[in-house]
Amino acid sequence: EIVLTQSPATLSVSPGERATLSCRASQSVSSNLAWYQQKPGQAPRLLIYGASTRATGIPARFSGSGSGTEFTLTISSLQSEDFAVYYCQHYNNWPRTFGQGTKVEI
Amino acid sequence: EVQLLGSGGGLVQPGGSLRLSCVASGFTFRSFAMSWVRQAPGKGLECVSFMTASGDFTYYADSVKGRFTISRDNSKDTLYLQMNSLRAEDTAIYYCAKDGPTRGDYYFDYWGQGTLVTVSS
Repeated sequence: EIVLTQSPATLSVSPGERATLSCRASQSVSSNLAWYQQKPGQAPRLLIYGASTRATGIPARFSGSGSGTEFTLTISSLQSEDFAVYYCQHYNNWPRTFGQGTKVEI
Repeated sequence: EVQLLGSGGGLVQPGGSLRLSCVASGFTFRSFAMSWVRQAPGKGLECVSFMTASGDFTYYADSVKGRFTISRDNSKDTLYLQMNSLRAEDTAIYYCAKDGPTRGDYYFDYWGQGTLVTVSS
């Protein structure tokens, strides 16, 4: 089973600042990695797939990069609605697994 | 607009059973793989089960293998999860999720609102 390790666990940032979230895989997942945003009481929402492709309707301030075992989600200028928990997930093989999440807080 | 409406959750005793349903709309249900993903209270996400569009392949997490069964009725645009021999550790919000548009793109592009399953005596 591929383990995804996200860092940091909590990221404290101010509105307008840049946020950089990391996801490291225990073995290569190629570019088969997705990022999700989850707000309290809501279902997760797909942000990025294929490591770097934004999903439909996702603002350009969200960007993903990386391949193999090292991945990054960058939020270029945090808006108030971006404070949430972010998960990475691989789909390179079975079982698909998620990282433990990074909470982005004010 | 894609919608996934889950139902069937509730309180059940250990050892009991529940069947979750997820009615899909806004896309051609029979053309896409579907999954169930769960989230224990205050915890992260776990892929529980998966089924291809035609139903020819299924996958289960080790934690539920032999106890849970995924199925779908493409004539009713509905996904199911039959959960037997429930344990306290199965307590979670269960989300149905639509898988990506092509075979192998098994990320989740749309999610239902979730249905809460509580296993307790």
